[in-house]
Amino acid sequence: QVKLQESGPGLVKPSETLSLTCAVSDYSISSGFYWGWVRQPPGKGLEWIGNIFRTGKTFYNPSLKSRVTISVDTSKNQFSLNLSSVTATDTAVYYCARIEAAAAGHGFDFWGQGTLVTVSS
Amino acid sequence: SYELTQPPSVSVSPGQTATITCSGDKLGNKYSCWYQQKAGQSPVLVIYQDYNRPSGIPERFSGSNSGNTATLTISGTQIMDEADYYCQAWDSNTDDVVFGGGTKLTVL
Repeated sequence: QVKLQESGPGLVKPSETLSLTCAVSDYSISSGFYWGWVRQPPGKGLEWIGNIFRTGKTFYNPSLKSRVTISVDTSKNQFSLNLSSVTATDTAVYYCARIEAAAAGHGFDFWGQGTLVTVSS
Repeated sequence: SYELTQPPSVSVSPGQTATITCSGDKLGNKYSCWYQQKAGQSPVLVIYQDYNRPSGIPERFSGSNSGNTATLTISGTQIMDEADYYCQAWDSNTDDVVFGGGTKLTVL
């Protein structure tokens, strides 16, 4: 059973950078699959942020692309999210998840528990 | 950008069949997935590749996709199925993952 665990600050100041890490256990990122970030503002729906492959190839939501960086560290079996210049609208629960291949119709089959990040001064 | 549209809410009586739709331009030409999210929990994949169920998902969950609409059907709906449901697809033109706005299923 693949396990994912998000970690990072729960409070970020406006204009600063939100940084989260997702630690993966019971599965090696190097073995394959894509790894992604999804967020959910309080009381709202799911929003895809981006995916990364083990090689470092990334795919980003166009609406966030200018502010998002996703990276992978296979040696630590984890991947990370950086979202710059945050505002209150970036307040959300952030999930990390695994997906085999979106193009082949595979969904996100394992999810982390999610971490609430609040943007406030 | 590609958009998926879901009804905000659907109500069903216990034991009846719940149908949740997801509309998008030529969605039938793409694969669809469905997630169930109960209050305070992470989403759970219930359907992938239009109609396949992951291990552990009850048989009462089924999916279809044709034309511009993907459909999640829950047969013999149970109280425990009350949740938000999200459809998801992949836009081949942009390599983007797209989620629908979500549908709140009420079982009463």
